[in-house]
Amino acid sequence: NAGVMQNPRHLVRRRGQEARLRCSPMKGHSHVYWYRQLPEEGLKFMVYLQKENIIDESGMPKERFSAEFPKEGPSILRIQQVVRGDSAAYFCASSPPILNTQYFGPGTRLTVL
Amino acid sequence: SQELEQSPQSLIVQEGKNLTINCTSSKTLYGLYWYKQKYGEGLIFLMMLQKGGEEKSHEKITAKLDEKKQQSSLHITASQPSHAGIYLCGALMGTSYGKLTFGQGTILTVHP
Repeated sequence: NAGVMQNPRHLVRRRGQEARLRCSPMKGHSHVYWYRQLPEEGLKFMVYLQKENIIDESGMPKERFSAEFPKEGPSILRIQQVVRGDSAAYFCASSPPILNTQYFGPGTRLTVL
Repeated sequence: SQELEQSPQSLIVQEGKNLTINCTSSKTLYGLYWYKQKYGEGLIFLMMLQKGGEEKSHEKITAKLDEKKQQSSLHITASQPSHAGIYLCGALMGTSYGKLTFGQGTILTVHP
């Protein structure tokens, strides 16, 4: 059973470009979570999604950031017009419908030049 | 201030020594998770605790939950270099179903 998969593992963007981060949950998991780890701030919750629904986006910046988890395909975290402050490691986690244990992917390390 | 405080922030031990990492919450806990992270990698799930007084073990790692104190401890017996990494506690708090709040992490170094 493959774990949570994220791609790309490393992403370099110039200021003003768009970044698209993908997350494929573990087989049988219908809940996806995105977290951001900034160098001096620790791991922070961004958004919680189920298939085709955003359940909790309280940790998501109001502008430039969006997330989706379509019926088919991976979950996507999209950052428009990236700025240097967006440089961080972005982790995706997934969980089964009933249990709350979240299993994390390897992360995508975004660098904004 | 942090909702979830971990102590110590870093720990250096000699191989074979026992150690304890603590995680204290300022809010009611509805579930406490321990993860391990190697530098530059993802989080590896270790254990989940949900009930007061609950204790779980995995190999040489034991975690306990003290519901009254809103605190959890992670104890490693006879540490090995393979135990080195960053230990993170995460918790479900309040009514935020699915949203994990994390402590700032404890960096563990084990010298052979």
